[in-house]
Parts: sequence; C-alpha cells; structure tokens
Amino acid sequence: NAGVTQTPKFQVLKTGQSMTLQCAQDMNHNSMYWYRQDPGMGLRLIYYSASEGTTDKGEVPNGYNVSRLNKREFSLRLESAAPSQTSVYFCASTQSWRSSYNEQFFGPGTRLTVL
Amino acid sequence: QKEVEQDPGPLSVPEGAIVSLNCTYSNSAFQYFMWYRQYSRKGPELLMYTYSSGNKEDGRFTAQVDKSSKYISLFIRDSQPSDSATYLCAMSSPGGGADGLTFGKGTHLIIQP
Repeated sequence: NAGVTQTPKFQVLKTGQSMTLQCAQDMNHNSMYWYRQDPGMGLRLIYYSASEGTTDKGEVPNGYNVSRLNKREFSLRLESAAPSQTSVYFCASTQSWRSSYNEQFFGPGTRLTVL
Repeated sequence: QKEVEQDPGPLSVPEGAIVSLNCTYSNSAFQYFMWYRQYSRKGPELLMYTYSSGNKEDGRFTAQVDKSSKYISLFIRDSQPSDSATYLCAMSSPGGGADGLTFGKGTHLIIQP
C-alpha cells in the first residue's frame, strides 16, 4: 500500500501560469481533502470531497479548482498562479467523514513556489 | 476566536525531559481528539487518538482530554532528539461535518541532545 501519493513533489511557476497537483489514494477511502500549510498559519482547508462525485469549498478556496476524478484521485488546479499561492500543499483522505474513527492520512506534500 | 488554540513555540527542552504539549478548544461538541506529528518536509502522521475524556498511553506518549475545561494535552516522557517535530492537535464531533477535522496550528518541539 502506497497510502496517499502526490505529484509533483516540487514545482516553480511564474505568475499567471497554471498547473494541476495530483493526488491518489489506494485505501478505498471515500473522503479526500486539499490543504495548504504556511508558516504560522497551520493547515488550512482549500477544498474537500466528501464522497465520489461531490466537492465543496473549504476555508481558502479562492484561486483554486478541484476535480474528484474517481474514488482514488482528487486533483487541485491553479488556473492563474499568484505569489500568494506559494505554499506547501497536502492531500489527505479518510475512510468517511461520517465514521466515528475519522483519522486523516496525509500525502508527502507538494512544495510550490510562484515567482 | 479560533476554534482550536495551540501555542506555536518553538518549545526547546533537553533530552530526557518530560514534554507537555497542549490545545484548548471552544466547541463543546468535539468528542474525538487526535495528535499528529509532522517531521520537517513531511506530511503529518497520526500519533495518538482518543475518544471523549480520559487518558490514553502508548509507550512514552500519553494523551489526556479534559472536556470540562476544553483542554487536551500530549505528554512525552524521556524525550529523544528524534521527537523533534511539529505536533498538531486535531478534533472533530460525531457526524460533525464533511469538512473533516479541526486542526490547531501546531507546536514546534526541539529536543536538545
């Protein structure tokens, strides 16, 4: 089991460029999440997908879009990157948000720099 | 007021010391409490999970929940340099929402050899 995988690990973009961060999990989890982590700000939820076929905005969705491609994959797209989107991005998954045991499993992260 | 408050540190202690990490929260509906450990340049990983009030022990780690005070703690005994990491508390309520866990901002812990 690979758990949660993310690609790429590192990326440098110029302002205005677009890119898609990929996330996949092999644990048959229903719920998936995208966070960004900035110094002093902790983990902030960007978007989440409670189950296949659904997506919802989190705390900081502006400038991002997501696609729940299938049960395994949840991608995050930056349409026009801005320096304020320089951050470390984490994808996470859990069996189901409805479960009483709702541990989230995290991927290794993508370090994004926007110049 | 943030739902979960956690001192960001850094907290620096000598090897072998007992470490106490804490979070306070405001939502009385929280019943599931977790501690995640995050090493530098890695993703967070679950360290301890507790339900409702009480203590839970796992090796050198003890998680404590006091729901009456809305206060949770993580104790590390005989701390080691390998315990140096950022520790995030997280919590949720039963069926509390599809947006998942509420995280503290994390405490950066440094164990000095």
